Amino acid sequence: GAGVSQSPRYKVAKRGQDVALRCDPISGHVSLFWYQQALGQGPEFLTYFQNEAQLDKSGLPSDRFFAERPEGSVSTLKIQRTQQEDSAVYLCASSLVGRASNQPQHFGDGTRLSIL
Amino acid sequence: AQSVSQHNHHVILSEAASLELGCNYSYGGTVNLFWYVQYPGQHLQLLLKYFSGDPLVKGIKGFEAEFIKSKFSFNLRKPSVQWSDTAEYFCAVIVYPHQTGANNLFFGTGTRLTVIP
Repeated sequence: GAGVSQSPRYKVAKRGQDVALRCDPISGHVSLFWYQQALGQGPEFLTYFQNEAQLDKSGLPSDRFFAERPEGSVSTLKIQRTQQEDSAVYLCASSLVGRASNQPQHFGDGTRLSIL
Repeated sequence: AQSVSQHNHHVILSEAASLELGCNYSYGGTVNLFWYVQYPGQHLQLLLKYFSGDPLVKGIKGFEAEFIKSKFSFNLRKPSVQWSDTAEYFCAVIVYPHQTGANNLFFGTGTRLTVIP
């Protein structure tokens, strides 16, 4: 497709379950970002990939959060032992070239995660 | 720490009214500035951006923003709003050198704009 694709659009899980959120960036985009957007807040940075390399994971809130992009295209954000405070919209964004550039970031529709 | 402030949480205007949404950031170094818009049920879309040069930048759909370095501000304006401008508007910043390893965006909390026909 032409844009960033995220799945699922909605995910409901019970506290303690593991979840996996998928991001399919625009074809050929080198940079991939994950953001977390809590209700009533702006998106907050979680982690960054340049191709398959995770160059920054400083925004991941705990070691229950894990992200990968093994082949430099599709990325998965995994949350283990989910907690209620993990409820948020998770946004994926991609841009054409690496972190030194001024290329704009293109966002997906997000995955709305609700933890019961 | 880097922060972006949007002081207006919800703005309600009638069609044809003029719009100005405030954005201030707290970083003294080099910044790239952005306004993103999120229409109901849609993804974030880039409205306009400032990297360098003319501090008055024009974006899509008649929006413009002015970078005032001395005020650390990047306010969004539109002379005459339409009902279709109803959306959430986010100001965002990339700082240089990067505070993290990435050129990630730092976002404000957003301003919800409701335009009444």
